[in-house]
Amino acid sequence: QQPVQSPQAVILREGEDAVINCSSSKALYSVHWYRQKHGEAPVFLMILLKGGEQKGHDKISASFNEKKQQSSLYLTASQLSYSGTYFCGTAGGFGNEKLTFGTGTRLTIIP
Amino acid sequence: ETGVTQTPRHLVMGMTNKKSLKCEQHLGHNAMYWYKQSAKKPLELMFVYNFKEQTENNSVPSRFSPECPNSSHLFLHLHTLQPEDSALYLCASSHGAARQGDQPQHFGDGTRLSIL
Repeated sequence: QQPVQSPQAVILREGEDAVINCSSSKALYSVHWYRQKHGEAPVFLMILLKGGEQKGHDKISASFNEKKQQSSLYLTASQLSYSGTYFCGTAGGFGNEKLTFGTGTRLTIIP
Repeated sequence: ETGVTQTPRHLVMGMTNKKSLKCEQHLGHNAMYWYKQSAKKPLELMFVYNFKEQTENNSVPSRFSPECPNSSHLFLHLHTLQPEDSALYLCASSHGAARQGDQPQHFGDGTRLSIL
């Protein structure tokens, strides 16, 4: 079953912060985050494994709450280059199940 | 440059045509994937190959026929497609398909397919 992302779309001014959420109805082993710009390939951002970890990547970080079966992606002081559609992908089991993607969150950063 | 190259980038075909999509990865990966991406829908996994062997067919209609001659190349042969098959077809690769939860996938730019 696919994860649910929220919001579906958000528009921010450069420098503002954004939070994108991903939740699943089933127990998760990992959450993956990808960004896709229009006409381009989805690009891998990070994987979070169960155990309640957090990861950071420049001004983009994420958390994974395995008990709530949720992950959140945080974009701090957003830049124009952050615009795109963000997808979460989730995998259950012990990492041996297939990756299932959400419908995406379209982020638009305006000057 | 993601290390995964797809050709052609755009394809327009009639419902009775036969065409093929090609994917090549230069990352030394052993697993390759085909996904379908339609507007407002999540990425749909179609096929998975691990060390050239098909390990997953996600109930894909037989008008889509994959081929994986080696770990670096993946094809999707198209035959008698329907208008609802118009979409972006993405290829991806990873180190292995047995543990998709651990492995990041590297995507190509996709082939935009339009069925007339």
